[in-house]
Amino acid sequence: GDSVTQMEGPVTLSEEAFLTINCTYTATGYPSLFWYVQYPGEGLQLLLKATKADDKGSNKGFEATYRKETTSFHLEKGSVQVSDSAVYFCALSDADYGQNFVFGPGTRLSVLP
Amino acid sequence: NAGVTQTPKFQVLKTGQSMTLQCAQDMNHNSMYWYRQDPGMGLRLIYYSASEGTTDKGEVPNGYNVSRLNKREFSLRLESAAPSQTSVYFCATALAGGINGELFFGEGSRLTVL
Repeated sequence: GDSVTQMEGPVTLSEEAFLTINCTYTATGYPSLFWYVQYPGEGLQLLLKATKADDKGSNKGFEATYRKETTSFHLEKGSVQVSDSAVYFCALSDADYGQNFVFGPGTRLSVLP
Repeated sequence: NAGVTQTPKFQVLKTGQSMTLQCAQDMNHNSMYWYRQDPGMGLRLIYYSASEGTTDKGEVPNGYNVSRLNKREFSLRLESAAPSQTSVYFCATALAGGINGELFFGEGSRLTVL
């Protein structure tokens, strides 16, 4: 079945550092790919998405490019802020996979001032 | 604009007790989902409802039942709670079952089973 693998956390960075969170996937069809973010005490919310190969999703300074050849969707940000501290989930949605959405285990990011 | 509303936000149960988690949405979405979130395991799908009147099992349905009462409401019931069901539960909705779409989440319900 479909699956999503993320780098293990937690990740601790200093403010203004460069962020990369790796995500790879396995899917039977041609999925859409997502990054969701969960701030403390809240539900998940969509950060960015890409629906086909080579698409780049971007939002709030975060970017991720859909790489079909490496089945990857790595999240990057050039300069993190304390307010980016949260848990980040990579996810896919595959119409050929009846449950529609599959999530990775999440990566906790802590940004120190 | 409420979006997705879950109740209760916190609940403590004893083993063997029953309870129902309620979810209501005002987004006019067709699809609704129940997930549980456990440390190190991310979100796992319990049940989902592609549209009013239909429900299907997800990855971890054992010990749970659901009811899609109408388009707005999707409830999750624990008939006989077990400590393994201690978790944070999230309800989510999507407009068109997910492909190219987006999930909208409630704030979560934290359940502790003693």
